[in-house]
Amino acid sequence: QQQVKQSPQSLIVQKGGISIINCAYENTAFDYFPWYQQFPGKGPALLIAIRPDVSEKKEGRFTISFNKSAKQFSLHIMDSQPGDSATYFCAASTGGAAGNKLTFGGGTRVLVKP
Amino acid sequence: DAGVTQSPTHLIKTRGQQVTLRCSPISGHKSVSWYQQVLGQGPQFIFQYYEKEERGRGNFPDRFSARQFPNYSSELNVNALLLGDSALYLCASSTEGDTQYFGPGTRLTVL
Repeated sequence: QQQVKQSPQSLIVQKGGISIINCAYENTAFDYFPWYQQFPGKGPALLIAIRPDVSEKKEGRFTISFNKSAKQFSLHIMDSQPGDSATYFCAASTGGAAGNKLTFGGGTRVLVKP
Repeated sequence: DAGVTQSPTHLIKTRGQQVTLRCSPISGHKSVSWYQQVLGQGPQFIFQYYEKEERGRGNFPDRFSARQFPNYSSELNVNALLLGDSALYLCASSTEGDTQYFGPGTRLTVL
């Protein structure tokens, strides 16, 4: 059962444009929502993360928006650059005594055209 | 500071063989998790260890096993390899908190 659904599967954006990736989750026990960036042949690298008590978090050109009632969260990449071309994964975990295993979305392949 | 390291980088095995993958966490991190990433998909959780104790197990068959050593490094073992085990195997380390840092992975090809 896929507990984190990610869309779109791929997107193409012009340099300087905004990339928007959306995720929806089912498990209301999730309390930590990170985004990872992965380049071909490499491991995922943490970009930014948010907890449910915050509706928005911004770090540089990357912003997470979180809607707890809708069980949705999204990543906005502002002023997209060719170097941002990668696959992006949203994830969620419950933490605590049960451990903090990450449940990942299916990924979004982003291509930024110069 | 060194990040998470994994060895080997690539591995080619045949069906039915056994494989051992190794991971060294970031210094000071006591928790190690293993994930399987099939090409074109998101990583899937296999195991998590904290202080040498298994803390969680994903939906994988008993052919998959792991352990953590006193220095917090970890091994993932897969027995009786199947073609479907071909994937990138990722190791992630963390402290008591939620943030997990991933290594570069081991690319396993089963022929």
